Amino acid sequence: DAGVTQSPTHLIKTRGQQVTLRCSPKSGHDTVSWYQQALGQGPQFIFQYYEEEERQRGNFPDRFSGHQFPNYSSELNVNALLLGDSALYLCASSSGGFGNQPQHFGDGTRLSIL
Amino acid sequence: DAKTTQPPSMDCAEGRAANLPCNHSTISGNEYVYWYRQIHSQGPQYIIHGLKNNETNEMASLIITEDRKSSTLILPHATLRDTAVYYCIVYGSSNTGKLIFGQGTTLQVKP
Repeated sequence: DAGVTQSPTHLIKTRGQQVTLRCSPKSGHDTVSWYQQALGQGPQFIFQYYEEEERQRGNFPDRFSGHQFPNYSSELNVNALLLGDSALYLCASSSGGFGNQPQHFGDGTRLSIL
Repeated sequence: DAKTTQPPSMDCAEGRAANLPCNHSTISGNEYVYWYRQIHSQGPQYIIHGLKNNETNEMASLIITEDRKSSTLILPHATLRDTAVYYCIVYGSSNTGKLIFGQGTTLQVKP
């Protein structure tokens, strides 16, 4: 039973560029959340997708956008990259929308901005 | 802001029980206590969660005080592979999907 998978594992971009990160949820899960983790900090919630719609958003600018596909997989897009966007981007999946089922995380995409 | 308080670091001898405390004095009646851990260079790993009763699974036990203002995660026989940052998180339906991570407790298991 595959867990949450993310691609790519590492990525290097330059300031001003755009990036797309991908996530496949754990089998049976229909909800995907994205988090940003800066070095030495805990993960910070970006947004959550359920039924192909963004349901909840954290304190991130509109440069951060996402999408969920009918098969529940998801993409995170970041435009006009800044040096401060360098971080580990984590995807988590769960089932049942806002219920109390635990979120399960992938190992993330390490994004470096030069 | 995180609704939990944890010690920044703890040590534990290999083979002994590791007891990780967490204070959550403002927890609401419908909020659960969740524990995750993050081993270096990996994503957070779900460990256990509970509402008010003590819980046990193959990884750990969770002891929640009767007033629900604090809890303890117990790893019964710590191994070197349990060295990680442990996060205690309070979560309920009002969080609408958002897990709020604090700084966590860095547990160092020593041989």
